[in-house]
Order: sequence, then C-alpha cells, then structure tokens
Amino acid sequence: DIVMTQSPESLAVSLGERATIKCKSSQAVLYSSYNKNCLAWYQQKPGQPPKLLIYWASTRESGVPDRFTGSGSGTDFTLTINSLQAEDVADYYCQQYYTVPYTFGQGTKLEIK
Amino acid sequence: QVQLVESGGGLVRPGGSLRLSCTASGFTFSDYFMAWIRQTPGKGLEWVSYMKWNGRTVNYADSVKGRFTITRDNAKDSVYLQMSNLRAEDTAVYYCARYYHPESSDGFIGHWGQGTLVTVSS
Repeated sequence: DIVMTQSPESLAVSLGERATIKCKSSQAVLYSSYNKNCLAWYQQKPGQPPKLLIYWASTRESGVPDRFTGSGSGTDFTLTINSLQAEDVADYYCQQYYTVPYTFGQGTKLEIK
Repeated sequence: QVQLVESGGGLVRPGGSLRLSCTASGFTFSDYFMAWIRQTPGKGLEWVSYMKWNGRTVNYADSVKGRFTITRDNAKDSVYLQMSNLRAEDTAVYYCARYYHPESSDGFIGHWGQGTLVTVSS
C-alpha cells in the first residue's frame, strides 16, 4: 500500500498569513500516460464530510477560493493557503488515487494563532 | 444539486451484521463509480470499497475483504454495503461517496454523504 504522510499534524497560523501543509507518498503517484499526479486534497470542517479542494495535485475544484494552491510532483506535495481566513479552520487531508487501495494522509489540523 | 443520503447505521454486537444504504439524487447515478469510505478518530479516513457504474468492477480494502459486500441498484439510484462478522475495529462513520467524473475511474471524490455511524460493541 502507498503510505501518505502529512506534516505537520497541527498548525496554527495568524489571520492573513500563509499556511503550508506537506504530503509525502511512499512511492511516486505520477500517472505517466497523463503526465499527471494522482493526488487530491480535501478540507473537512467539524461535523461535516470532507470537501474536495484540489485534484491532479494542482487543479483547483470549481468554487474553491484561489488562495488555495496545490503543488508538487512525484512523491512530494504541498497545499498552500495564502491570506488565511477564519473559515479555513479545518482538517486537511491528502489522498492518492494512483493505485488501490487508495489511501489518505493522517490529516493536518489548521487553527488560527 | 447532488445529494447522497446514507442510512442503516447503528449499534451492533461483534460478529453481527448491518446493511448500509445510500440513496442518490441530483445526477445520473448509473454514470458514476460509487464508494464507501469510513472515518475513525484513530485511523483517519479509510477507503472501504468501490463499484463501477455498471457493477462489473468492485474492490475492497484488505481489512474488510470477505466480510463486506458492495452492491448497487441503478434503477433505485442506490448503493449498499452489506457488513457481516463485524468487529470493534469496524466502528466508524461510514460515508457514501461519488467519484468526480462520470464514466471515469479516476479515484477522487466529488461528493460525500453526511455519513452514518456504525458502532460495534457488546
């Protein structure tokens, strides 16, 4: 199984500042036929299901604010949240869909400092 | 709009069985892969099972293989998860989930249900 490791486990950032969350896969998730990385990011607020933010490592889902940016390739990926807003407080998860079993990172809890 | 509504969760004793249902609306159900994903505080999010739009391809996590069965009824816009020989470690919130693109096996989730809690305890 591909192991997805996120860092940090928790993060406190001031309003208006940048938050950076890392995700590392135990093997590359690059789908060579598409030249795309099979990596998604989700946001989960308390009492709600996860919500898709980013797929193919860097494609922002429709309606997601452009302060959310996904980057990276191969085994190392980053979710960057610029100009942090109060509504961004949530848990964030990465997920690989390169090969079954599809696996998630353990999550990163983002709070306001 | 897309809606996925789960039902069937509850308290069950170890070794018991439970059947989860998910009824979909707001999209052409028969065009999409569907999945069950569970979440626990300890183990986080775990992909349990998925099924292709025509029912011909299924997959299970090793942790549930041989105990859980996914089925779907496209005429009823519904997907099911039959769970048997339940264990304490199956305790979780179970989400019904729809893949993002129609007629695609790209395994990222575009829509999630609200989840149903399954508790396995004596």
